[in-house]
Amino acid sequence: DQQVKQNSPSLSVQEGRISILNCDYTNSMFDYFLWYKKYPAEGPTFLISISSIKDKNEDGRFTVFLNKSAKHLSLHIVPSQPGDSAVYFCAASPLLAGNNRKLIWGLGTSLAVNP
Amino acid sequence: DAGVIQSPRHEVTEMGQEVTLRCKPISGHNSLFWYRQTMMRGLELLIYFNNNVPIDDSGMPEDRFSAKMPNASFSTLKIQPSEPRDSAVYFCASRLTVISGELFFGEGSRLTVL
Repeated sequence: DQQVKQNSPSLSVQEGRISILNCDYTNSMFDYFLWYKKYPAEGPTFLISISSIKDKNEDGRFTVFLNKSAKHLSLHIVPSQPGDSAVYFCAASPLLAGNNRKLIWGLGTSLAVNP
Repeated sequence: DAGVIQSPRHEVTEMGQEVTLRCKPISGHNSLFWYRQTMMRGLELLIYFNNNVPIDDSGMPEDRFSAKMPNASFSTLKIQPSEPRDSAVYFCASRLTVISGELFFGEGSRLTVL
């Protein structure tokens, strides 16, 4: 049972426009969320994160929004660039006993930014 | 820093053979994670270590899989005997602290079991 869902397997956007990647979760114990980007033949790399005490976090062209009541977060990329073409993973983390954390991952959304 | 280093990058083997995947985490990182990625199930956490001690191995599929971390700079994931359904990309990741923070991933080991 997927606790973190990325319902769009793929997304295609024109260069310069906004890319919006969505992520839904089911576990209300999740309190920390991350987005990772993955290029082919490479490991995922960290992009941006947000704690449940905030509803927005911004880093340059990347902004993550968190709607706790809807158990939904989204990643906005503005403006989109061809180099942003990659698979984007949403991950969520519950605070477990003993302060241990592990990430629960979505299946990813493949973003294609067309020149 | 060289980042997380995994070897081999690619492995092709026959069913029944033993496979050993290796990982060198980033120096100074205290947590190490082994993941498996497949198209159907995405990124699955197999096992993770804090300060070289296995914390959660509930993701290890079955007894054919084992992982060790004999010291802070080295870990292995072993599959014995391997089966075709084990074919996947295996990622190792490390994290600076045991509590939180981002994971740094290696480039992965692509395993094909014929």
